[in-house]
Amino acid sequence: QQQVKQSPQSLIVQKGGISIINCAYENTAFDYFPWYQQFPGKGPALLIAIRPDVSEKKEGRFTISFNKSAKQFSLHIMDSQPGDSATYFCAASMNSGYSTLTFGKGTMLLVSP
Amino acid sequence: EADIYQTPRYLVIGTGKKITLECSQTMGHDKMYWYQQDPGMELHLIHYSYGVNSTEKGDLSSESTVSRIRTEHFPLTLESARPSHTSQYLCASSEVSTYEQYFGPGTRLTVT
Repeated sequence: QQQVKQSPQSLIVQKGGISIINCAYENTAFDYFPWYQQFPGKGPALLIAIRPDVSEKKEGRFTISFNKSAKQFSLHIMDSQPGDSATYFCAASMNSGYSTLTFGKGTMLLVSP
Repeated sequence: EADIYQTPRYLVIGTGKKITLECSQTMGHDKMYWYQQDPGMELHLIHYSYGVNSTEKGDLSSESTVSRIRTEHFPLTLESARPSHTSQYLCASSEVSTYEQYFGPGTRLTVT
């Protein structure tokens, strides 16, 4: 049973475009929703995270949109750059961090020059 | 930048060999984790620890074992490597009451 479903599996965006990756979750007890970015040969690194008490969080070109009623959240990358080409993972956790992270299957993003 | 280290980075080993993948962190984090990841694929939690002398199995069944004798060290051992163990192994750590996990660079294991 996959508790966090991520789509699309891969995405190609032109430089300057908007990249959008979506995730849906099932467990309403989740209270923390991070996005991780992973470059080839590296471990994932936290990019941005949101709690369910807000609907949107923005950090630079990266924005998380959160829809609690639909149990969905998405990552938007504005003005996508070739350096953003990486694999992106959404995740979810609960219990103030005492539980583990549940990851989505990942989205491989390629930003073409 | 997170101070979490994994050695070796790459390992090619024959079937039946015993191997230990090392993971160390200098952040004083109590929680540590091991994930298995096939290239470009999702992360599967195989072991985690809340602190010294604490170890738990993760969501993915694994033939590996772990130990946590020191806070900063969380090694993973395969008693008898098999080709099905070929994968990337990622170590991570976090504070007990926070969500953010810091990942190491990974060990890419190939069993021939």
